[in-house]
Formats: sequence, C-alpha cells, structure tokens
Amino acid sequence: GAVVSQHPSRVICKSGTSVKIECRSLDFQATTMFWYRQFPKQSLMLMATSNEGSKATYEQGVEKDKFLINHASLTLSTLTVTSAHPEDSSFYICSAAGGGNQPQHFGDGTRLSIL
Amino acid sequence: GQQVMQIPQYQHVQEGEDFTTYCNSSTTLSNIQWYKQRPGGHPVFLIQLVKSGEVKKQKRLTFQFGEAKKNSSLHITATQTTDVGTYFCAGHLATGTASKLTFGTGTRLQVTL
Repeated sequence: GAVVSQHPSRVICKSGTSVKIECRSLDFQATTMFWYRQFPKQSLMLMATSNEGSKATYEQGVEKDKFLINHASLTLSTLTVTSAHPEDSSFYICSAAGGGNQPQHFGDGTRLSIL
Repeated sequence: GQQVMQIPQYQHVQEGEDFTTYCNSSTTLSNIQWYKQRPGGHPVFLIQLVKSGEVKKQKRLTFQFGEAKKNSSLHITATQTTDVGTYFCAGHLATGTASKLTFGTGTRLQVTL
C-alpha cells in the first residue's frame, strides 16, 4: 500500500521553540495532504488541508500564524508550530490522498511535548 | 456543524465474542470509510463504501452502509486479540469539499483471552 513518512516521531522542547514536522508521500504523488491533531483517546481533529503550490485551507479555530503549513511539492508538506507552548503538546498526524474521495494514507505521527 | 458519532465509545470483549460499532452522521455522506488505529499507532485504511445499502466483507469483518447514507456499521465475528484498537468511521459530505474527511468519535475495542 501507499507509504507516508512523517518526521520526527517525537519532539520534546522548551516553551517558545518553533517545531517543524515533515510529511512525505514516498511512493505516490499526493494531490492533497492533511494535518490532524489527536488528543489521548480522542478522535482526529482536522487542522488544515494542503494542496501543492497553493495556500492551505485551515479549519475554523485553527490559527494560521501559529500552525504554518507549506506544501512545496506533490510529495512533501511541512507543518511548523511556531513559538510552541505547553497547550500545543499533542499528537500531530499527517495524511496524503491522491485526490477526490480517495482513502487517506497516514504518517506515523509526531508526539510533541512542550515543557 | 457536521457531526459523526460512534457507539459504543469503548467495548471490552473476550476473545471469540462478536463486536459491532455503529456510526451515525448528522448529514448525508457521499461515502464512508473505516480506519483502524492500534494503540500508539496511526490510522490504517480498512475499506470504503459508496453505494446506499452496500455491504462488504473482509474475512471476519462485515461493513454496511445505510440506505439513507447517514449511518454505517462494522461487525467483527469471533474477535481475536489482534483486533484490539480504535475503529473510526469517516465520511465525505455529500455536498462538501471532495477531499475532506470527517472522522467519527471512534470505538475503542479491548479483547482479552
């Protein structure tokens, strides 16, 4: 099946640090990539939808300036959590899809802990 | 807004027992997808249903899509410990952005010997 690589898998850093997370589709060209946030024992909350070469579409309540998304190519999207604070600690997962209503293929996720 | 609820939230069964999770959307869906997330892992795509009333089987798993395309179910026959995880339904709105999925609240399944 399709492979999506997400890096890093775990980040622990001090408050005020900016953290960059990469999401790569390894064996297919992803028309669209998605960024989710998941709290323990809860569902996936969509943060933003990212299309190659265009600005990301953010969900209501998600700060664009806080969570910067760049989708420079059909195989790479990045999420940067700027000036992270403890309340930003969470599990962030990306996914990639080939377009339309295709199934999404998820990365392994990044567990972010802000001290 | 759009909501996709799943019941039960959690179920604990003994190995060999059957398990069912139900998924209900407040609005009509163009399709329904099911994902499984193992503890500490990421969601893995299981199946997609598109047609009203559609039923699909994968070994011990049976998936149904309701006639009104607003609900779905996943039934596991004779559970095994490898079935442990959280099962999410996810749907595309019939009138929404083609690629955006709305995930259900999830059902966490625990299976013990």
